Amino acid sequence: EVQLVDSGGGLVQPGGSLRLSCAASGFTFRNYAMNWVRQAPGKGLEWVSAISNSGGDTYYSDSVKGRFTISRDNSKNMLSLQMDSLRAEDTAVYYCAKDVWPQPDAYDIWGQGTMVTVSS
Amino acid sequence: QSALTQPASVSGSPGQSIPISCTGTSSDVGGYNFVSWYQQHPGKAPKLLIYDVNRRPSGVSDRFSGSKSGNTASLTISGLQAEDEADYYCSSYTGSSTRWVFGGGTKLTVL
Repeated sequence: EVQLVDSGGGLVQPGGSLRLSCAASGFTFRNYAMNWVRQAPGKGLEWVSAISNSGGDTYYSDSVKGRFTISRDNSKNMLSLQMDSLRAEDTAVYYCAKDVWPQPDAYDIWGQGTMVTVSS
Repeated sequence: QSALTQPASVSGSPGQSIPISCTGTSSDVGGYNFVSWYQQHPGKAPKLLIYDVNRRPSGVSDRFSGSKSGNTASLTISGLQAEDEADYYCSSYTGSSTRWVFGGGTKLTVL
């Protein structure tokens, strides 16, 4: 079964850090780009970051550039998102999502989501 | 404010065909054939319906179709069913530093 399992969310104070992980199974992880998409409570979807299949190309939204770092370990079928200098507006459910191609395009498999709450 | 504009809500009766529009600019929807559509039921992760304007992933019903004209993309749902009641989001590649953007979402109500 093709599956993504997100983890690592929680409550963190403004200015703090958190690392999200996504464990992939059921497909050849190294062949596809991967993405992080978030959804603030009661709001719409927002693309956060993407990484190519090899990890050589990374992309970030303007809202997280310089604060978040996406990475992948193709030997362990793992995707990560290191989030630093967190702000209240980063509060959201974070989804990892598999792409349809080796380069970022569209997201055909999604994790269950992990909640990140930034609050004092 | 979302970069792509979608109607906040649409509604239709079972069996009808419903279009949902997604309007952008020549820097996103109009400039690239990388438009995708997602369905999201409450409390669930989104599901990919259409990618690259009009390609349908395996397993997605052929009642869902996508198209694009100029700066506006459209998702059409034919033979509307009660289970189609959900939120729908479009997404597009952009030429800006934020490479991908979503629309604000459209809530579909099946009457």
